[in-house]
Amino acid sequence: KQEVTQIPAALSVPEGENLVLNCSFTDSAIYNLQWFRQDPGKGLTSLLLIQSSQREQTSGRLNASLDKSSGRSTLYIAASQPGDSATYLCAVASTDSWGKLQFGAGTQVVVTP
Amino acid sequence: EAGVAQSPRYKIIEKRQSVAFWCNPISGHATLYWYQQILGQGPKLLIQFQNNGVVDDSQLPKDRFSAERLKGVDSTLKIQPAKLEDSAVYLCASSLSRRTGGPSDTQYFGPGTRLTVL
Repeated sequence: KQEVTQIPAALSVPEGENLVLNCSFTDSAIYNLQWFRQDPGKGLTSLLLIQSSQREQTSGRLNASLDKSSGRSTLYIAASQPGDSATYLCAVASTDSWGKLQFGAGTQVVVTP
Repeated sequence: EAGVAQSPRYKIIEKRQSVAFWCNPISGHATLYWYQQILGQGPKLLIQFQNNGVVDDSQLPKDRFSAERLKGVDSTLKIQPAKLEDSAVYLCASSLSRRTGGPSDTQYFGPGTRLTVL
């Protein structure tokens, strides 16, 4: 059974610092891994989707890497801003399912001005 | 492009009562998902529809939860009777996926319905 873990559960950084968020998963047989952002009282917004054949994916200040063999993904957010404060979740689509995402519990990020 | 719509946004009921949630996915999206997110946890998939057929309902508590997707568009999720542990945010998501098998593509989420069971 796939298990997804995100450590730390919470993180606080001053504005301008780079953010590094970690995600680990137990079963390397995956189709893809996705990173989401969740703001309080709102749904999830997809940030990046990395296919299993890819090593990384970039969008603006965001960069996500994937090491399938070691079961790890890292989300980097460059030059953090107060608007980046949110909960970040990673989710894995395993090959024994179709479209079924297994989520981590998330990392709550606070960027202080 | 309009996003995924959900209603109501908030609902407070007493245990043993019934409740229903509604979802309207993004136009043209074949796949619809219902998730349950308990405070402090990631979302857990309850049921997945491909058009109006069920693809996965392995984690749906079928003794009290039911869901349907009429004409492959809108969907309703019902809880009857509700228990205290059903207090959570219920998220609906949709994706374009038209294939009968293979990897998922990007899922788009609605704002969710926050259910409180007293």
